[in-house]
Amino acid sequence: DAKTTQPTSMDCAEGRAANLPCNHSTISGNEYVYWYRQIHSQGPQYIIHGLKNNETNEMASLIITEDRKSSTLILPHATLRDTAVYYCIVREVGYQKVTFGIGTKLQVIP
Amino acid sequence: DTGVSQNPRHKITKRGQNVTFRCDPISEHNRLYWYRQTLGQGPEFLTYFQNEAQLEKSRLLSDRFSAERPKGSFSTLEIQRTEQGDSAMYLCASSPDLGLAGGYNEQFFGPGTRLTVL
Repeated sequence: DAKTTQPTSMDCAEGRAANLPCNHSTISGNEYVYWYRQIHSQGPQYIIHGLKNNETNEMASLIITEDRKSSTLILPHATLRDTAVYYCIVREVGYQKVTFGIGTKLQVIP
Repeated sequence: DTGVSQNPRHKITKRGQNVTFRCDPISEHNRLYWYRQTLGQGPEFLTYFQNEAQLEKSRLLSDRFSAERPKGSFSTLEIQRTEQGDSAMYLCASSPDLGLAGGYNEQFFGPGTRLTVL
């Protein structure tokens, strides 16, 4: 699996957009980018994934650079319930194994 | 509740004892995964089942670890001769196989079983 690099922690004001960056400079053409989050004492929760196009769902938007070497997860209006550890991971097509890494601890501040 | 369930939620054992955890996936999810998570780290992949077949295993899954999914429904993870280093949260997840592009579907995680080895 390609490795990802994320900031260890970030703060975001409640109601503002949270932009979480991820670097995956060694990603290969058949690897998808996924984002999960883990709220304290719970199992991880899927957020979104993409290959090369930007994606949006009810939870977030995923912006992938044209060279696919980095991506940004956007939570458009952060709430206190979005406080969690956010994991950016890559996965090769055809394999189920994913490597979570340490993730970014997002603290949403009132 | 139709989510992934895991039992027990907490297990305390003495070093050298055997422990077994159970995971009940979401009904009709034919993919099941086991992960291990230690404090301050992300989940580490252990193994993956497609129905009853164990298709992927991590090198983390030593000889003391064994996982089964005999009827393609619930799964068990057994750790023999537990060591203090086995203390961790053991997470189970399931997903359906919808044949989507990329062969991957959202994984739904259970609450985990926290193992403490004394």
